Amino acid sequence: TQLLEQSPQFLSIQEGENLTVYCNSSSVFSSLQWYRQEPGEGPVLLVTVVTGGEVKKLKRLTFQFGDARKDSSLHITAAQPGDTGLYLCAGAWGSSNTGKLIFGQGTTLQVKP
Amino acid sequence: KAGVTQTPRYLIKTRGQQVTLSCSPISGHRSVSWYQQTPGQGLQFLFEYFSETQRNKGNFPGRFSGRQFSNSRSEMNVSTLELGDSALYLCASRRGGFDPEKLFFGSGTQLSVL
Repeated sequence: TQLLEQSPQFLSIQEGENLTVYCNSSSVFSSLQWYRQEPGEGPVLLVTVVTGGEVKKLKRLTFQFGDARKDSSLHITAAQPGDTGLYLCAGAWGSSNTGKLIFGQGTTLQVKP
Repeated sequence: KAGVTQTPRYLIKTRGQQVTLSCSPISGHRSVSWYQQTPGQGLQFLFEYFSETQRNKGNFPGRFSGRQFSNSRSEMNVSTLELGDSALYLCASRRGGFDPEKLFFGSGTQLSVL
């Protein structure tokens, strides 16, 4: 059974601070995705990483995929209140051509003005 | 382009009843996946349908079932509801056939079982 461990579970920081969220597994992913979910809505895809060692940037968000494709991180620089939400990592094993993803438990981020 | 539409938005049922949830995918998307989200277990995969066929199934009891129609719309059914079935049920669609591929989620159906 594939499991994704996401940490930390909760994060409360002040506006302007930096933070990193981690996602780890004992299994090799074929691809890994990061989502953000706001209350009352479904998750929205932020990024997909496929290649070991890959780094992708989305404005102030930086996503890294571990060389062995077993872990990933999301780093937010100079967090803003608008970044508040639930951040989820989700992995696919075997073929990435699938709607079946294993999700981490999520990181609830609160950014205070 | 319209997003993934799920109906109803909220539902209240009592134990023992059954419920049917509906999902209309993005136009042109052939795959629909269903997920259950609870505070304790997070997001868990239920099943995926592609071109009216079930492609993958998660570890849920047989009370949870689904189907997909020729227009790609999908329904999921839960029979003999239990208190523990209270959750947000999310539907996600994708075009199908691409590796890797973006999943687009609906806003979900919040089911409360009393």
